[in-house]
Amino acid sequence: GAVVSQHPSRVICKSGTSVKIECRSLDFQATTMFWYRQFPKQSLMLMATSNEGSKATYEQGVEKDKFLINHASLTLSTLTVTSAHPEDSSFYICSAGRGAYEQYFGPGTRLTVT
Amino acid sequence: GESVGLHLPTLSVQEGDNSIINCAYSNSASDYFIWYKQESGKGPQFIIDIRSNMDKRQGQRVTVLLNKTVKHLSLQIAATQPGDSAVYFCATGGFKTIFGAGTRLFVKA
Repeated sequence: GAVVSQHPSRVICKSGTSVKIECRSLDFQATTMFWYRQFPKQSLMLMATSNEGSKATYEQGVEKDKFLINHASLTLSTLTVTSAHPEDSSFYICSAGRGAYEQYFGPGTRLTVT
Repeated sequence: GESVGLHLPTLSVQEGDNSIINCAYSNSASDYFIWYKQESGKGPQFIIDIRSNMDKRQGQRVTVLLNKTVKHLSLQIAATQPGDSAVYFCATGGFKTIFGAGTRLFVKA
């Protein structure tokens, strides 16, 4: 089956610093990847669509300058949380698309901003 | 905008009983629906999907029912086991996957 990995699985950073999260499709190429954020006891909220070789498309209310997305290859998308603050602490999950109706989710990255 | 919602936030069932988790969606144009299971601290795991041209689909111990008339989706889990304890999300798919609020399933031994 299709496997998507995320790195790191957990990260703690200080307020004001930036942190990068990687999402990789291990055994297939993904022209599109998606980034979600999940707060405790809440659902997954789509943040942005990452397109290989072009700019990401952000959902309404998501600051593109704060959440930088780079999709440099067909197997890697990165999400950088810039100038992180405690309210950015969350569970970040990516997914990779293979075909119109196939999406495979990563295991998530727990970000804690102190 | 599109939204997917769930009727019950928590569901507690006895081991061995059947579980039914319900979901309502608002966008009548949705043509693809998915159920996911999420265990604590993990990403969502695909359970079963159904397209809008079907009203029922069965998998191993799971059945999804789709009622397009009332825009309702349900997940039935037969002979619920302790390992089924998790949060279950319905979602509409296609290019983007939009998640509903989630139902936490507790299985009592």
